[in-house]
Amino acid sequence: AQRVTQPEKLLSVFKGAPVELKCNYSYSGSPELFWYVQYSRQRLQLLLRHISRESIKGFTADLNKGETSFHLKKPFAQEEDSAMYYCAPLFMDTGRRALTFGSGTRLQVQP
Amino acid sequence: DAGVIQSPRHEVTEMGQEVTLRCKPISGHNSLFWYRQTMMRGLELLIYFNNNVPIDDSGMPEDRFSAKMPNASFSTLKIQPSEPRDSAVYFCASGALSGNTIYFGEGSWLTVV
Repeated sequence: AQRVTQPEKLLSVFKGAPVELKCNYSYSGSPELFWYVQYSRQRLQLLLRHISRESIKGFTADLNKGETSFHLKKPFAQEEDSAMYYCAPLFMDTGRRALTFGSGTRLQVQP
Repeated sequence: DAGVIQSPRHEVTEMGQEVTLRCKPISGHNSLFWYRQTMMRGLELLIYFNNNVPIDDSGMPEDRFSAKMPNASFSTLKIQPSEPRDSAVYFCASGALSGNTIYFGEGSWLTVV
């Protein structure tokens, strides 16, 4: 079955440190992959879309088909990056064209 | 564009009452999604529509939940009767059929007491 896993509920780093938020999926095909971010009590917004390489705020993500992973990275974390981050694959050939969201990782960037 | 608009933003209701949540998608979008967010279960897809037609409602928890999309600019999610375990944030999102990115509203925070 298709599944997305974000193994860390909470990731705490200091300002200026590198950040990597993990995302793994299980799927026999090639999903389209997204990261969404939710700042405190706000709407979810698109952070990054793999197919178009769109990105905001310096985040990047690399698809590793061998490991079926799509980890989110930023070289130098800022305090304003503190938020919930959701990995969201679109499993294309299931007949259901709706994003599946991981359980999310809360990123805390300390000063 | 004002984005996806949801109402009410907050609702507190008593168990057994009917709750209606509303959503106006972004103009021109022809896919609409309802998600529910809770601490325990995260973000779950409840139902989605393409061109106003329900495509997949397998995420709707039970018969107490119903959703409609009478036209391209309006959708409702109704819970009747409501129960305390329905307390959650309900998000509406819309997107274009030609693409896969979806855009979320600010959510409706529902508390059933």
